[in-house]
Amino acid sequence: QVQLQESGPGLVKPSETLSLTCNVSGDSISSYYCNWIRQPPGKGLEWIGYIYYSGSTNYNPSLKSRVIISVDTSKKQFSLRLTSVTAADTAVYYCATTPNYYYGLDVWGQGTTVAVSS
Amino acid sequence: QSVLAQPPSVSGAPGQRVTISCTGSSSDIGAGYDVHWYQRLPGTAPKLLIYNNNNRPSGVPDRFSGSKSGASASLAISGLQAEDEADYYCQSYDSSLNGHVVFGGGTRLTVL
Repeated sequence: QVQLQESGPGLVKPSETLSLTCNVSGDSISSYYCNWIRQPPGKGLEWIGYIYYSGSTNYNPSLKSRVIISVDTSKKQFSLRLTSVTAADTAVYYCATTPNYYYGLDVWGQGTTVAVSS
Repeated sequence: QSVLAQPPSVSGAPGQRVTISCTGSSSDIGAGYDVHWYQRLPGTAPKLLIYNNNNRPSGVPDRFSGSKSGASASLAISGLQAEDEADYYCQSYDSSLNGHVVFGGGTRLTVL
């Protein structure tokens, strides 16, 4: 069973870049769609995007200009970079994987809280 | 504002049956995309509860069931238990956005 763990700074300054990593254990990262999702305080879930183990990506159009998701299969981890952050990017960030994009997100990390503040 | 519409809250007494609706449009659920449901217990990450409209992952009790019709879907919980108190989210895909994932705004279930 795949297990996921997010890591990264809990506080980022406005206009800087948010960087998070999701470490995968229990299975190879190959053949998985690796997603990032976030939940701002008091709001619903927002899908950020995914990277397939092969390197192909798909991003939420509302964030596409600021997002890069990358994967390192040898380290069994995938990463999120979100540039030019503002207070609106304050959220709990989750990584989640699925072997089949259209079958739902079946494994989630516990989530990590990121606050954007000076 | 979420793409898929869910009621903000529902409630029911232990043992009762409740349903949570998820309303989309012709560009998402109505376009033929399947609907998945997630349960988020307080302080925990979302958990896949129902996939592909009406399928339960291993370990999910059969008290939980899903259905889809047209551009809408529903999650039903029968024999309500105190531990079912959680937030529930529906999820589908948007054909106008290259098949991107879209979520509902979430429904808070309160067990009275």
